Amino acid sequence: KQEVTQIPAALSVPEGENLVLNCSFTDSAIYNLQWFRQDPGKGLTSLLLIQSSQREQTSGRLNASLDKSSGRSTLYIAASQPGDSATYLCAVRDSGYSTLTFGKGTMLLVSP
Amino acid sequence: EPEVTQTPSHQVTQMGQEVILRCVPISNHLYFYWYRQILGQKVEFLVSFYNNEISEKSEIFDDQFSVERPDGSNFTLKIRSTKLEDSAMYFCASSPRGHGLTFHGYTFGSGTRLTVV
Repeated sequence: KQEVTQIPAALSVPEGENLVLNCSFTDSAIYNLQWFRQDPGKGLTSLLLIQSSQREQTSGRLNASLDKSSGRSTLYIAASQPGDSATYLCAVRDSGYSTLTFGKGTMLLVSP
Repeated sequence: EPEVTQTPSHQVTQMGQEVILRCVPISNHLYFYWYRQILGQKVEFLVSFYNNEISEKSEIFDDQFSVERPDGSNFTLKIRSTKLEDSAMYFCASSPRGHGLTFHGYTFGSGTRLTVV
């Protein structure tokens, strides 16, 4: 059964810092990996999707990498801003299935 | 940008009552999903739906739950005889296709917070 772990559980940084969020998964036979943002009490906003054949994806200040063989992904946020404060969720889709397995998330607080 | 719409945003119900959570997926999407998130816990898969039938379901999705696409736009989750432990945020999601290089991932709705008292 796929298990997804995210480290750290919480992170507090001053504005302007570059930061890395980590995601690991136990079964490397994944189809793709998706990073989401969740604001308190709100829904999930998709940030980046990486197919299993890809190594990384970029969107603005966000860069996500995937090392499928080692079961790891990182989300890099450049020049963090207070508006980046949210919980970041990593989710993997296993090959042969259409569903997602989520990590518990990293709660990020960026202070001005 | 197209959205997945969920109603209501918050519902309070008494234990033992039936509730129906409603979702309007993105119009050209073919795959529909329900997930839930109990406060402080991971988002968990409940069920996926394609071509008017359930394609996958988790062990959480027992006989208490059912899904339906009553018309061309709505996708509903019914919970019969609600229990206290059903209190959670329920998310609907949709995707245009299930797989392939052009798969763009899932679009989630903003959720329905269900509180069972």
